[in-house]
Amino acid sequence: KQEVTQIPAALSVPEGENLVLNCSFTDSAIYNLQWFRQDPGKGLTSLLLIQSSQREQTSGRLNASLDKSSGRSTLYIAASQPGDSATYLCAVRPSKNRGSTLGRLYFGRGTQLTVWP
Amino acid sequence: DVKVTQSSRYLVKRTGEKVFLECVQDMDHENMFWYRQDPGLGLRLIYFSYDVKMKEKGDIPEGYSVSREKKERFSLILESASTNQTSMYLCASSSDRGGGNEQFFGPGTRLTVL
Repeated sequence: KQEVTQIPAALSVPEGENLVLNCSFTDSAIYNLQWFRQDPGKGLTSLLLIQSSQREQTSGRLNASLDKSSGRSTLYIAASQPGDSATYLCAVRPSKNRGSTLGRLYFGRGTQLTVWP
Repeated sequence: DVKVTQSSRYLVKRTGEKVFLECVQDMDHENMFWYRQDPGLGLRLIYFSYDVKMKEKGDIPEGYSVSREKKERFSLILESASTNQTSMYLCASSSDRGGGNEQFFGPGTRLTVL
């Protein structure tokens, strides 16, 4: 069974810093990997989706990389702002040759980020 | 934009009541999912569906059932609510068409069972 781990569990930084959030997974046979953001008491917002054939994806100040062979992904946040404060979750979808997965994701526990002014 | 809506943001029910949580998506997605989220346990998959009237058990299906009579709607049913089902419930949808497979979430329903 796929296990997804996110380090650190919590992070508190001053505004303006560049950040790296880490995600690791135990089975490298993945179809894709998705990063989400969750504000307190809210649903998940999709940030970036990386297909297994891709190395990275970028959206604004966010950049996500994927090293499938080593079972790792990183989310890089440039020039952090207080509005970036949220929990960031990583999720992987197993590849289809691991059996019928029907699109289910395996989630990490998240990194709770606080950016203070 | 994909929109996933859930029938209630907050719900309070009593032990033993039958509870219906509704989820609707507007992008013709074939896959729909129900998760619950608890502090320290993360997101756990309850049930999912890949087509109308089709359903698959997730990791924690006990005490729950689901219904998918129409493609856009996926209902989670608590047959007899218990206090340990107090949680945040999240619905999601995705499609395997077009190669994207991105999963989109609703705003969540905070259920309290007294």
